[in-house]
Amino acid sequence: AQKVTQAQTEISVVEKEDVTLDCVYETRDTTYYLFWYKQPPSGELVFLIRRNSFDEQNEISGRYSWNFQKSTSSFNFTITASQVVDSAVYFCALKNYGQNFVFGPGTRLSVLP
Amino acid sequence: GAGVSQSPSNKVTEKGKDVELRCDPISGHTALYWYRQSLGQGLEFLIYFQGNSAPDKSGLPSDRFSAERTGGSVSTLTIQRTQQEDSAVYLCASSLEPPYSYNEQFFGPGTRLTVL
Repeated sequence: AQKVTQAQTEISVVEKEDVTLDCVYETRDTTYYLFWYKQPPSGELVFLIRRNSFDEQNEISGRYSWNFQKSTSSFNFTITASQVVDSAVYFCALKNYGQNFVFGPGTRLSVLP
Repeated sequence: GAGVSQSPSNKVTEKGKDVELRCDPISGHTALYWYRQSLGQGLEFLIYFQGNSAPDKSGLPSDRFSAERTGGSVSTLTIQRTQQEDSAVYLCASSLEPPYSYNEQFFGPGTRLTVL
């Protein structure tokens, strides 16, 4: 069975702090992809990143970085120097070959000025 | 290029009435998904279309819910005899070629359904 866990329901930080959002997944497949989506208060989910199971290199995009560790089945997302505009609900998702997406429950991030 | 569009953006209805929610996917996207998101909750999968067929309807909560897709494009989600617990945001997403690929989904803005 496939499952995605985001243990942090809500996180609050003060602007300019770094914050890490955790994502732990379960799958028996060796080939799979992991995704992160952002849902700002406006409501529309925005795709952030896709990572395949054979590529464990960390990825950095501006203030965003992702740490993929197969050994711990984790795909964590870090925002450096957070800003108020980062306030949103963030979803981690898993996709196995031939199957639908499985989304985690989401983490609500509030960045306070 | 146009993204995924959904209509109406808001729908208020009375308990017991039928409603139809529409989704226009990105042109060329063969896969289309419907999700439901209750207030402050995660995404609940409802149904998946590949072309006009629905190989996975496992998420439809009851036989009051149905969906169709025509011309490999527009999809309509119909809820009959609405109940207050149907109140939620209904999200539509499309992607290029699942399930045998790993393309990301693109989401529409959602339809907020309120059943009084």
